[in-house]
Amino acid sequence: NAGVMQNPRHLVRRRGQEARLRCSPMKGHSHVYWYRQLPEEGLKFMVYLQKENIIDESGMPKERFSAEFPKEGPSILRIQQVVRGDSAAYFCASSPSDDYGYTFGSGTRLTVV
Amino acid sequence: EDQVTQSPEALRLQEGESSSLNCSYTVSGLRGLFWYRQDPGKGPEFLFTLYSAGEEKEKERLKATLTKKESFLHITAPKPEDSATYLCAVQAAGTASKLTFGTGTRLQVTL
Repeated sequence: NAGVMQNPRHLVRRRGQEARLRCSPMKGHSHVYWYRQLPEEGLKFMVYLQKENIIDESGMPKERFSAEFPKEGPSILRIQQVVRGDSAAYFCASSPSDDYGYTFGSGTRLTVV
Repeated sequence: EDQVTQSPEALRLQEGESSSLNCSYTVSGLRGLFWYRQDPGKGPEFLFTLYSAGEEKEKERLKATLTKKESFLHITAPKPEDSATYLCAVQAAGTASKLTFGTGTRLQVTL
């Protein structure tokens, strides 16, 4: 019974490149959440998705960031034209419903150089 | 805006020395309060959910309690393996599962 799988674990990008972070939820979980954790800061909500739908993107920066959760395959968080301030740990979580606690993945640590 | 404040920021205990971590919150209608444990380089691990004032939950050496304004995580006779960052989060009514996290308490338990 695999948990929430995130890859890659570590990602290095040069300024201006694109970063793609992938998240496979736990089996049977159809709700996916993305959070960002900056050094010395708490986890910040970014986006909540269900299959093929964005439910709440109130925490997503207006530009350069997008997320999807297609009918088949993992959820993807995409950051275009990365800047140094995007360096952070990005965590994905999943749940079987919105009425249930999350299970988090181990995160992707993005470093922009 | 929902807010979560955790104290202390860091806590150092000797093995067996019991203590409590505090989580103060302001939220427009609490749907649930969550405690997580996070080890370095890993994702948060779910511990407890509390839904209403007066509720308590226990797991091994940990006990979480909830009032209308704060939650406590009591650690009884801690062991070195309890060393981690403990995160508190709230879910407000009508926010479709979004959690607002505090910045955590870094606990170190020494022999």
